[in-house]
Amino acid sequence: GAVVSQHPSWVICKSGTSVKIECRSLDFQATTMFWYRQFPKQSLMLMATSNEGSKATYEQGVEKDKFLINHASLTLSTLTVTSAHPEDSSFYICSARGIPFSGANVLTFGAGSRLTVL
Amino acid sequence: TQLLEQSPQFLSIQEGENLTVYCNSSSVFSSLQWYRQEPGEGPVLLVTVVTGGEVKKLKRLTFQFGDARKDSSLHITAAQPGDTGLYLCAAPPGGTSYGKLTFGQGTILTVHP
Repeated sequence: GAVVSQHPSWVICKSGTSVKIECRSLDFQATTMFWYRQFPKQSLMLMATSNEGSKATYEQGVEKDKFLINHASLTLSTLTVTSAHPEDSSFYICSARGIPFSGANVLTFGAGSRLTVL
Repeated sequence: TQLLEQSPQFLSIQEGENLTVYCNSSSVFSSLQWYRQEPGEGPVLLVTVVTGGEVKKLKRLTFQFGDARKDSSLHITAAQPGDTGLYLCAAPPGGTSYGKLTFGQGTILTVHP
C-alpha cells in the first residue's frame, strides 16, 4: 500500500534555531500534502496545504514566515520551523494525497515528527 | 468553520465491555472517516462512510453514518487492551479538495485487562 515517510521522527533543538521536517511519499506521487500539528492528548489541527510546484496555503492563524513549507517535487514536502521557541514544541504530522500505481486515490499519513525546543 | 464534536473525550473501561464513541456536527458531510492513533504514531484509517444510514463493520468495530450525514458513531464490542488508543473522526470541510480534513477532538480510550 501507499507509504508516507517522515524524517526525523523526533528532534530536539535549542531555542532560536531552525528545524526542517521531511515528508516523502515512497511509492506514489503526492500531488498534495497536508501538514498537521498535534499537542499531547489533543486532536490534529491542519496547518497548511502544500501543492507541488506552488505556494502552500496556510490555515488561519498559522504564520507562514514561521512555518516554511516547500513542495519541490511530487514525492517530497518539507516543513521548516524557523527560529523555534519552546511553544513550537509539538507533534507534526503530514499526510499525502496521490495516485499510486494501483490507480485509486489515496490519502496516507506519516508517522509524525516530535519536535522539542529547549 | 465546520466543527466535529466528539464524545466522550476520555473513556476508561475493563476488558470485555462495550463502548460507543459519537461524532456530531451541525454540517452535512459528503463523507466521514474514523482513525485510530497510537502514541508517537500517525493516525491510521479505520473506515470511510459515505452514504447516509450506512453501517460498516470491521471485526468488533461497528461504524454508522447518520441518515442526514451530520453524525456518526463507533461501537466497539467486547473491548480488548489492544483497542487502547486515540480515536478520531474526520471529515472534509465543505467545498474543499479531497484530503483536507477537519478532525474531531478525539476520544482517548483505555481498556484495562
